[in-house]
Amino acid sequence: SQELEQSPQSLIVQEGKNLTINCTSSKTLYGLYWYKQKYGEGLIFLMMLQKGGEEKSHEKITAKLDEKKQQSSLHITASQPSHAGIYLCGADMWAGANSKLTFGKGITLSVRP
Amino acid sequence: DVKVTQSSRYLVKRTGEKVFLECVQDMDHENMFWYRQDPGLGLRLIYFSYDVKMKEKGDIPEGYSVSREKKERFSLILESASTNQTSMYLCASSSLIFGQGPGYEQYFGPGTRLTVT
Repeated sequence: SQELEQSPQSLIVQEGKNLTINCTSSKTLYGLYWYKQKYGEGLIFLMMLQKGGEEKSHEKITAKLDEKKQQSSLHITASQPSHAGIYLCGADMWAGANSKLTFGKGITLSVRP
Repeated sequence: DVKVTQSSRYLVKRTGEKVFLECVQDMDHENMFWYRQDPGLGLRLIYFSYDVKMKEKGDIPEGYSVSREKKERFSLILESASTNQTSMYLCASSSLIFGQGPGYEQYFGPGTRLTVT
C-alpha cells in the first residue's frame, strides 16, 4: 500500500480560483516536503514542514502540517497558469537522521486561462 | 544556487547494453540519490549514498548498481538494460542539516528520459 496518499489525483481549475491539495499518511511524519514538477523536468523544492501545526507561505502558496503530523495541505490562492504542474509531497517517515524520503504519486494541476 | 546536473536529457539504448547515467552536484552535499519515475507509480528510490564509496539500496535496486568515487559525482549503472527499465531517471542531492531534526530538502537534477528498445 502507498505510504503517502495524495488527493485528488488530478485537478483542473479556472485561472483565479483557489485550490487545496492534500498529502496524508497513517504514520507520523518527521518532515514533510512539497515539490513542484513541470512535465518532463526535475522537481523544484517548494517548502518543508516539521512541526505539528506549522504553516509556511511563499508568494501565493501556503502549506500546513496538522497537529498530529500525519496530514499536510497545500493551498494556492488566485491560481495562475504558472502554477500548473505536478505537485509531489515527500516525507521523512522515520525518526533517525540520514533517513530517506518517501514520495506520494503526485497531483497533476491544470489551470485554464 | 544549488545545481544538480545529469549527463543526458534523453537516451536511447538497446536491450542488453550497459548504461551509465551520471549525476554531478556542485554544493558539496553529503547525500545523493537515484530515483526512477513512472506514470501511476510515482517516484521510487533505487539507490542512495551518504558518503564517498558508500551506498545503500533503496526500494527497487534490482537490475541497477551505483558508484560514488568522488563526493560530487554519483553514477547509476544498468548492467544489462531491459525494456522494463525504460523510465525517467532523477538524481538528487542533499546536505545533512545538523540541529534541525532529521529533515533536509533534496535538490533534483533535470532528469534523464531513458528508452530501452
